[in-house]
Amino acid sequence: DAGVIQSPRHEVTEMGQEVTLRCKPISGHDYLFWYRQTMMRGLELLIYFNNNVPIDDSGMPEDRFSAKMPNASFSTLKIQPSEPRDSAVYFCASRKPITSTEAFFGQGTRLTVV
Amino acid sequence: AQTVTQSQPEMSVQEAETVTLSCTYDTSESDYYLFWYKQPPSRQMILVIRQEAYKQQNATENRFSVNFQKAAKSFSLKISDSQLGDAAMYFCAYRSAGNQFYFGTGTSLTVIP
Repeated sequence: DAGVIQSPRHEVTEMGQEVTLRCKPISGHDYLFWYRQTMMRGLELLIYFNNNVPIDDSGMPEDRFSAKMPNASFSTLKIQPSEPRDSAVYFCASRKPITSTEAFFGQGTRLTVV
Repeated sequence: AQTVTQSQPEMSVQEAETVTLSCTYDTSESDYYLFWYKQPPSRQMILVIRQEAYKQQNATENRFSVNFQKAAKSFSLKISDSQLGDAAMYFCAYRSAGNQFYFGTGTSLTVIP
């Protein structure tokens, strides 16, 4: 099992540009989570999906952020337009459809907006 | 909303010694799950140990064990025989019945040779 795969690992972009982060969850996992990690705010849940359907997007900071999950093996988090305060590490995580299990995390994407 | 509090931003321990990291949480639920994750400099979040709230027995995984006090809403992590590779940021996490995970702000553990 390859684990949760995120791409790119690092992204540097200019303010105002569109940024797309990608995630491939572990096969058979039916929950997918997007988190943002910063020094100031720690790990924040942005949105999560169950069976490709967004369940709770209350953590998405602004309309500039959007997330999709077109199928069970792929999700994207898009920021348009990006701003310097969006600089953070973005994690994708997935979970099996078994009650007690943990979330399995990808290695994260470090986003820097200059 | 559930909150998870880690009151120790930084901790240090001598190699081979024992250290305890604290975590408290606030919830009105009776059924939930608790986890400790480790985040080394590589950034990868790695599960250390899990505890189901309905289980009274404290979870153990080799050198790692927890002290789960449900009434006090406390979930501390004990690392025995600390090793250099244990140096990392440690996060306490709560998983609600609603499937959301809530994380503490983390404790940075330094292991002194």
